[in-house]
Amino acid sequence: AQSVTQLGSHVSVSEGALVLLRCNYSSSVPPYLFWYVQYPNQGLQLLLKYTSAATLVKGINGFEAEFKKSETSFHLTKPSAHMSDAAEYFCAVSENTGTASKLTFGTGTRLQVTL
Amino acid sequence: KAGVTQTPRYLIKTRGQQVTLSCSPISGHRSVSWYQQTPGQGLQFLFEYFSETQRNKGNFPGRFSGRQFSNSRSEMNVSTLELGDSALYLCASSLVLAGNYEQYFGPGTRLTVT
Repeated sequence: AQSVTQLGSHVSVSEGALVLLRCNYSSSVPPYLFWYVQYPNQGLQLLLKYTSAATLVKGINGFEAEFKKSETSFHLTKPSAHMSDAAEYFCAVSENTGTASKLTFGTGTRLQVTL
Repeated sequence: KAGVTQTPRYLIKTRGQQVTLSCSPISGHRSVSWYQQTPGQGLQFLFEYFSETQRNKGNFPGRFSGRQFSNSRSEMNVSTLELGDSALYLCASSLVLAGNYEQYFGPGTRLTVT
């Protein structure tokens, strides 16, 4: 079974600082990987996805992630944090059997942005 | 294009009751998946429907069931509610094109069981 591990349940950065949220995956086949963001009392919003087209993936709101097969990682970064980035972030892997799919999520990382 | 809609947004039920949650996918999306989110267990997959057929099911008891209609709208039902069923239930829809399984989520239904 595929799985993802998010290191750090809470990350705090200063406004303007680099954001780095870590995600490692386990998969026996080339994975589809996703990052989602969840703001309080809302659903999940797709930030970006990796589907093997390019290892560096750019998403919305200035976020990007790099797929590193050798490290089985898909870390999320943003060069300069903004107060509005404070939210919970989830890494997910898609298990695609060809006839069915499901997302397996990490436990989430809550990002705090301070002045 | 309208996003995924879920109704109701909030629900309070008593132990032993049953509940039905509704999800309308993005227009043109044929796959609907359901997830349960709790502080203790995180986000867990419940089931996926495509063309009115359940294609995948997570590790939940039989009290959790669902269905999909011909217009791709989906409902999930939980019978004999338990306190532990209190959660945010999220619905997601996707196009299900080959190799593209990105899912778009609704705002969720927050169920409280007392």
